[in-house]
Amino acid sequence: DAGVIQSPRHEVTEMGQEVTLRCKPISGHDYLFWYRQTMMRGLELLIYFNNNVPIDDSGMPEDRFSAKMPNASFSTLKIQPSEPRDSAVYFCASSPTPGQSSYNEQFFGPGTRLTVL
Amino acid sequence: GQNIDQPTEMTATEGAIVQINCTYQTSGFNGLFWYQQHAGEAPTFLSYNVLDGLEEKGRFSSFLSRSKGYSYLLLKELQMKDSASYLCAVSSNDYKLSFGAGTTVTVRA
Repeated sequence: DAGVIQSPRHEVTEMGQEVTLRCKPISGHDYLFWYRQTMMRGLELLIYFNNNVPIDDSGMPEDRFSAKMPNASFSTLKIQPSEPRDSAVYFCASSPTPGQSSYNEQFFGPGTRLTVL
Repeated sequence: GQNIDQPTEMTATEGAIVQINCTYQTSGFNGLFWYQQHAGEAPTFLSYNVLDGLEEKGRFSSFLSRSKGYSYLLLKELQMKDSASYLCAVSSNDYKLSFGAGTTVTVRA
């Protein structure tokens, strides 16, 4: 398996523009997580899905952020409009359903480094 | 919610041993993970503890005491490639992971 795939790997945009980050989880994994990592706040969970359904979006910072998972193999995180404080590395991770493996290890994608000017 | 504490930085010499401590306060517990993250890369899984005691995996070991809300990651025979950030993460009952801020380990020759 290729692991979790994210695109783009780097994104530079201007304040006010829409940004869409993409993620393809590992095939067969039922959980998908979106994280944001900054020096100041560390690794923060934004939202997670189970079987394509959003379960907990309490970490989404504000209404400018939205996430979708239209099918088991694709998810998007959208920021509209973007602001300089959104600059961070955004990771997508997936994990199997507990019981399918001995523990619910999360596998991380390579991340998208977002810079908003 | 979760409160996870670990030291910010540690430095050790190649070949030595380093122990990274993690304390946590949690409203639900379904296991504790350690992840390694090299600069500019994604976190990668190192270890998992759900029962009290020591789990050994080659040069790395992880210990858990649930009653004390305490874990440590032990890195033995340090190598230069072990220089990285080590993240302690607690899994709550709904399988969410809450991460500590990470401990940056620098291995010196």
